[in-house]
Amino acid sequence: ETGVTQSPTHLIKTRGQQVTLRCSSQSGHNTVSWYQQALGQGPQFIFQYYREEENGRGNFPPRFSGLQFPNYSSELNVNALELDDSALYLCASSFPGLAGVSSEQYFGPGTRLTVT
Amino acid sequence: GESVGLHLPTLSVQEGDNSIINCAYSNSASDYFIWYKQESGKGPQFIIDIRSNMDKRQGQRVTVLLNKTVKHLSLQIAATQPGDSAVYFCAEKPSFQKLVFGTGTRLLVSP
Repeated sequence: ETGVTQSPTHLIKTRGQQVTLRCSSQSGHNTVSWYQQALGQGPQFIFQYYREEENGRGNFPPRFSGLQFPNYSSELNVNALELDDSALYLCASSFPGLAGVSSEQYFGPGTRLTVT
Repeated sequence: GESVGLHLPTLSVQEGDNSIINCAYSNSASDYFIWYKQESGKGPQFIIDIRSNMDKRQGQRVTVLLNKTVKHLSLQIAATQPGDSAVYFCAEKPSFQKLVFGTGTRLLVSP
């Protein structure tokens, strides 16, 4: 186990609704990244938060937004849900290494979101 | 655009065999590569990583090879066990923030 926790485990929402997913990072990690994983696909980068600021974003519309809190936990919010938003949402925590040096990301178990 | 692809969607091996999973990446600027294992219902689990200044790295029963000339990555699993059955993803890091994943290879290990 990585120490990254996510809640809830499963969620069913109706098209047009809003959803908030939560992530607690591994102890000592101050960076949280969110990914969307459609069935049978690899995870797609949504955005990353570092020191409570968005630190990079993938090709996702503005209705995907996030927050990071002083304890480094994070939320992913999705507004105006669409059927295609049904997926496994993963968060990953990491600790930036030396400047310019990438470090591994540890993933949580994910939240399975179903939009009907 | 950026992409990481895998050559074989499914690999079936016998227990005890060595497994090789291949991956092609597209971004020459990527400086960091990771292999993840994902079991059903779980998040990706880190297996091994390699930086672009290396061409080989060994872990416990796993070896990653990086060929930057042809932008190719491989994961070798020695003495494959039934517990190794999962989907394996390679991922590249073209920027400091994000990982780019491929679609995955399913490894099936028969006893």
